Amino acid sequence: EPEVTQTPSHQVTQMGQEVILRCVPISNHLYFYWYRQILGQKVEFLVSFYNNEISEKSEIFDDQFSVERPDGSNFTLKIRSTKLEDSAMYFCASSEGSINEKLFFGSGTQLSVL
Amino acid sequence: DAKTTQPTSMDCAEGRAANLPCNHSTISGNEYVYWYRQIHSQGPQYIIHGLKNNETNEMASLIITEDRKSSTLILPHATLRDTAVYYCIVRPWGDDKIIFGKGTRLHILP
Repeated sequence: EPEVTQTPSHQVTQMGQEVILRCVPISNHLYFYWYRQILGQKVEFLVSFYNNEISEKSEIFDDQFSVERPDGSNFTLKIRSTKLEDSAMYFCASSEGSINEKLFFGSGTQLSVL
Repeated sequence: DAKTTQPTSMDCAEGRAANLPCNHSTISGNEYVYWYRQIHSQGPQYIIHGLKNNETNEMASLIITEDRKSSTLILPHATLRDTAVYYCIVRPWGDDKIIFGKGTRLHILP
């Protein structure tokens, strides 16, 4: 079964550094998402992306965050200047379409900000 | 602003049916009920969804009450691999995102 692939599985960075988390969505999918899960807490929506632009974002997704689909296969999340509170598991997801389509999630990137 | 209410945790014996309840008393006519689960350290996984009719697939059955104010996810023969957090989600028609609550932590006991 096709799957969403995320790299790296673990990323350690220093506070204030920029990080880019990478995702390869399922090939025929059109909608892309980033979620995060702080340890012990619920999975939180960050952003959805369609047709090369953000379709919706949450309050968490501030100016420090950006997303990009640079080459038609990858989907990236950039955090410009990481903070300690950005430490979390970040999940990428994709879906075939927006109308009640199920989301397929990757296995996540564990980001640790020191 | 929680749209669903689920028990915090449940236990079920291996081989038995696991019945996970969910209350969604304020559900609107255009909102679907979705179930996802998250096995430890993995990404969420879609299980099933429905609007008003009962649904069944290879993973589970979804029973929605006639007034749509509650539903039950049934795993017919639970295995140890079904130990996970199960999320009941109400999703408006046409909304491309899903919003997770706290879910039910299901422990399958050997």
